[in-house]
Amino acid sequence: SQQGEEDPQALSIQEGENATMNCSYKTSINNLQWYRQNSGRGLVHLILIRSNEREKHSGRLRVTLDTSKKSSSLLITASRAADTASYFCATDAFGQAGTALIFGKGTTLSVSS
Amino acid sequence: EPEVTQTPSHQVTQMGQEVILRCVPISNHLYFYWYRQILGQKVEFLVSFYNNEISEKSEIFDDQFSVERPDGSNFTLKIRSTKLEDSAMYFCASSGQGGYGYTFGSGTRLTVV
Repeated sequence: SQQGEEDPQALSIQEGENATMNCSYKTSINNLQWYRQNSGRGLVHLILIRSNEREKHSGRLRVTLDTSKKSSSLLITASRAADTASYFCATDAFGQAGTALIFGKGTTLSVSS
Repeated sequence: EPEVTQTPSHQVTQMGQEVILRCVPISNHLYFYWYRQILGQKVEFLVSFYNNEISEKSEIFDDQFSVERPDGSNFTLKIRSTKLEDSAMYFCASSGQGGYGYTFGSGTRLTVV
């Protein structure tokens, strides 16, 4: 299967709830990144976590990385309707700087008010 | 905040025609990339460019595709003879010294009719 697979594929929550998305990958990595994409729009970089880091925070975002399990999670706390978007994890293909990113299929998050 | 700029935002072309998609990466970045996203599908790597040459390319990037950095600021993707299946959103991206921390442009939506 592919590098960078997210689950769930779709997630629907109420405003104020937390949203957790998971990503699994196959090969060794330098870093893992999370991106957001609003419908039909560009990719917005959210957060990058390096392979020697286990957890990283940015505002309402919390990312964890478990290299032993080759998995990562993205937690969005206190979700808002504006968080409605698709979220993708992306890993560098060959564990080298400047290499291609391999994207997963994404999790579509819907936050209703 | 520095941005990657892509033009045009939307291009419609006849099948068999040549198109050139343009990008202005962030000025001090060294790595440049093109990705595409067919509607409803995941983002796919096309090609990376470093030190004025292609460093990696995917199976998608066949002889119909070429990239060029004609001057110090622009980075272009040319599709020589477009096919219906080339219809997609094309994203340009750049990254800095360490190759991390991609910045994506907002994309060019190419529609081949």
